[in-house]
Amino acid sequence: NAGVTQTPKFRVLKTGQSMTLLCAQDMNHEYMYWYRQDPGMGLRLIHYSVGEGTTAKGEVPDGYNVSRLKKQNFLLGLESAAPSQTSVYFCASSPPGQGLPAEAFFGQGTRLTVV
Amino acid sequence: KQEVTQIPAALSVPEGENLVLNCSFTDSAIYNLQWFRQDPGKGLTSLLLIQSSQREQTSGRLNASLDKSSGRSTLYIAASQPGDSATYLCAVPRYGGSQGNLIFGKGTKLSVKP
Repeated sequence: NAGVTQTPKFRVLKTGQSMTLLCAQDMNHEYMYWYRQDPGMGLRLIHYSVGEGTTAKGEVPDGYNVSRLKKQNFLLGLESAAPSQTSVYFCASSPPGQGLPAEAFFGQGTRLTVV
Repeated sequence: KQEVTQIPAALSVPEGENLVLNCSFTDSAIYNLQWFRQDPGKGLTSLLLIQSSQREQTSGRLNASLDKSSGRSTLYIAASQPGDSATYLCAVPRYGGSQGNLIFGKGTKLSVKP
């Protein structure tokens, strides 16, 4: 019963390096999301996807790219990491529809430090 | 623009006490409201989801209420235990967005002392 799985759990990057965070869900959810959590700022939506092959910008998309080539996977990319991207990143998934009794499920997070 | 506020930011109580966590939101046009628990260094665990047509939801020692007209939700924890120590977050879906497209409060950090 894996739910939402994020890889890796921890990473340290040097400024300017690139990396990809992987999110995988086994609940057959249509929608997937990437959030970042920062002290004093709470959780903020970076990008999201409403289905395979689709992506959309959230609240704080700059400096990130995403891809949803398969329904179960949602990738978050940092092309040129900056210290301001030091954060804890959370992936989430949910069934489609508004106002339905459907919950959002979150992964365990990826703690990223950019030095 | 929807804003979600949680007060207090931190709360410390002795074991066994009943307590209430507060969540307020500025736009009452919400589909539902979700309460989460976050343990240090961990992800978010969904506790309760209240639909806009509901006034309460209960799960074990937890009871969440929703008053859309006043823009408030409360999470009541009965007979608190040290294992309840965590940060509690409330969130509402962004208007027009899907269930996981959420606006979060900054959380209340709860500490239950033995």
